[in-house]
Amino acid sequence: NAGVTQTPKFQVLKTGQSMTLQCAQDMNHNSMYWYRQDPGMGLRLIYYSASEGTTDKGEVPNGYNVSRLNKREFSLRLESAAPSQTSVYFCASRPGTGGLAFFGQGTRLTVV
Amino acid sequence: AQSVAQPEDQVNVAEGNPLTVKCTYSVSGNPYLFWYVQYPNRGLQFLLKYITGDNLVKGSYGFEAEFNKSQTSFHLKKPSALVSDSALYFCAVRGYNTDKLIFGTGTRLQVFP
Repeated sequence: NAGVTQTPKFQVLKTGQSMTLQCAQDMNHNSMYWYRQDPGMGLRLIYYSASEGTTDKGEVPNGYNVSRLNKREFSLRLESAAPSQTSVYFCASRPGTGGLAFFGQGTRLTVV
Repeated sequence: AQSVAQPEDQVNVAEGNPLTVKCTYSVSGNPYLFWYVQYPNRGLQFLLKYITGDNLVKGSYGFEAEFNKSQTSFHLKKPSALVSDSALYFCAVRGYNTDKLIFGTGTRLQVFP
């Protein structure tokens, strides 16, 4: 079982560049999440999706967009990267009510 | 508003001693509560959860947590700490009628030989 797969694992961007972080899960989960992890800040929720075609803002959505085109995939897009977006990004998925979240291995993004 | 507080950035404990990592939460309605652990350069691994029922929840690797509704707390405990328990621990909460899953800032547990 692959679980939750994130690509790429590492990325360096220049300020102003755009990119999309990909996340796919093979567990037929309904809900998917994007978090960023920064030292001393813990995990902060960027966006989440309760089901295919729906998305909601989390705690820190500014500067990001997401897309949930199908049940498996939930992508995170940075339209114009800023140094403040340097972070480790985690994708997670969760089945229905009461289910626990499974996490990907993370994407380490550096914006210079 | 939904939130989680982990008041301690770091907890230090000697091997063999009991450990407690604190967590308090705020959510509308009944909470779903979780503890996750993160080892260096790794993703998050599930430890235990409280959904309903018995307030004392037992999880992986000998960890347990006690749900206290009046104090809105869900502290993580282990009777006898191991050096291998050293890691970053996260508490998380989700409200009963929402998919929004919020994490705390994390507590670094250091177990000394």
